[in-house]
Amino acid sequence: DAKTTQPTSMDCAEGRAANLPCNHSTISGNEYVYWYRQIHSQGPQYIIHGLKNNETNEMASLIITEDRKSSTLILPHATLRDTAVYYCIVGGGAGGTSYGKLTFGQGTILTVHP
Amino acid sequence: GAVVSQHPSWVICKSGTSVKIECRSLDFQATTMFWYRQFPKQSLMLMATSNEGSKATYEQGVEKDKFLINHASLTLSTLTVTSAHPEDSSFYICSARAFFGQGTRLTVV
Repeated sequence: DAKTTQPTSMDCAEGRAANLPCNHSTISGNEYVYWYRQIHSQGPQYIIHGLKNNETNEMASLIITEDRKSSTLILPHATLRDTAVYYCIVGGGAGGTSYGKLTFGQGTILTVHP
Repeated sequence: GAVVSQHPSWVICKSGTSVKIECRSLDFQATTMFWYRQFPKQSLMLMATSNEGSKATYEQGVEKDKFLINHASLTLSTLTVTSAHPEDSSFYICSARAFFGQGTRLTVV
């Protein structure tokens, strides 16, 4: 699986947008970009994923560069409850033999402050 | 959306005993499930791939005789930590498709 690089930590003011970057320069053509977050002592929570196009759901937006070597997770209006460790992972898509088999890096500790 | 349920959420056991953790997919069938382990202040590490109807595939360094995995149905995988010792104390998490259970905190005393 391709590896990802994320900043160790980031801060964001409550109510502002949080933009979390991720580099995945060795991503292969059929690998998706997945984002999860983990709050202490809980399992990772799925946020969003994408292959080539930008994606948006009720939680966040995912912007993937045209060359697919990097992406940005955007939380449009961060709240204190968004404080968590955010993981960017590349992996196989649905139907593939490696679907769901994910290699976690250290992630980004996002702290949202009042 | 898809939901994965894990039970128990936490367990305390005596050294030398065995503990079973269940992972269920609630609204979909999963021929493959995954088991991870997370030590304090560390990231998740994949332990093994649970395959319905066949043997699990273990990652390098994970003892298959210590961490027994059974995937007897399309909605249930179990992880049994055999002869648990304090160093097995950890947060165990299962997943199916792209979704994770809530995790099981195991403390061996």
